[in-house]
Amino acid sequence: DQQVKQNSPSLSVQEGRISILNCDYTNSMFDYFLWYKKYPAEGPTFLISISSIKDKNEDGRFTVFLNKSAKHLSLHIVPSQPGDSAVYFCAAPDSGGYNKLIFGAGTRLAVHP
Amino acid sequence: DAGVTQSPTHLIKTRGQQVTLRCSPKSGHDTVSWYQQALGQGPQFIFQYYEEEERQRGNFPDRFSGHQFPNYSSELNVNALLLGDSALYLCASSLWQGEETQYFGPGTRLLVL
Repeated sequence: DQQVKQNSPSLSVQEGRISILNCDYTNSMFDYFLWYKKYPAEGPTFLISISSIKDKNEDGRFTVFLNKSAKHLSLHIVPSQPGDSAVYFCAAPDSGGYNKLIFGAGTRLAVHP
Repeated sequence: DAGVTQSPTHLIKTRGQQVTLRCSPKSGHDTVSWYQQALGQGPQFIFQYYEEEERQRGNFPDRFSGHQFPNYSSELNVNALLLGDSALYLCASSLWQGEETQYFGPGTRLLVL
C-alpha cells in the first residue's frame, strides 16, 4: 500500500523554464511533507518542507504547494538549472514521528541547456 | 563537521551469507535510522535506534537486525542474504527531540549474487 505516490518517473525540462514535480498521498493523517533531492552516489539531501497548516512554502527558486483536499503536493523549481538534474523524492513522516519517513518512488528530473 | 558517514561504499555477497553495514551519525545527533532503497524505488524504513535500543521497525523480517553503540554509531546486520536484498542501504541521523529533518549518508550498495 503506497501511501506516498510519485506517478511520473521522469521529467525533462529546458534550462530556465519551470519544473513541476508532483506527489499524491493517501493518508489524511499526514501533517508534514518533505522534498529530498538525490544525486548519484550521494544520499538524499533535504530540500524544502511544508506543514499542513500552510498551502505554500517558498525557499529561493523552490516552492512547494499543498492541496489538502486533493491530497496533492507539488514542487516548483523556477528557473530550472542544469545542476537541478537529480532524483526528487516526496516524503511524509509516519505516525511514529519525524524519524520514520515514508517516501515516494521518486521523479528523475533532467534539465537540459 | 563531518556529516553522516557509511562503510563500506560497495559490497558483493552471495546468497545465504551475512553482512554488516556501518554508520556514523552527524556530530551532535543521537538517533540513527536505516532505509533500504531498491532500484527504481524510494527509500523504505527498516528501523530506528535511540539510546542503544530499537525504537521503531518497518515491515522487514527478523533477518534484519541492528545495533547502536554508546557513541551513537550504528550497525545494520542482514543474515541469510537473498537476491532481493540487493539494494542501496541508507543511514540517516537526527535528534530524537525536535529535529524535523534527517541527514542521510551516501549509502552502501549491496549486491547479492
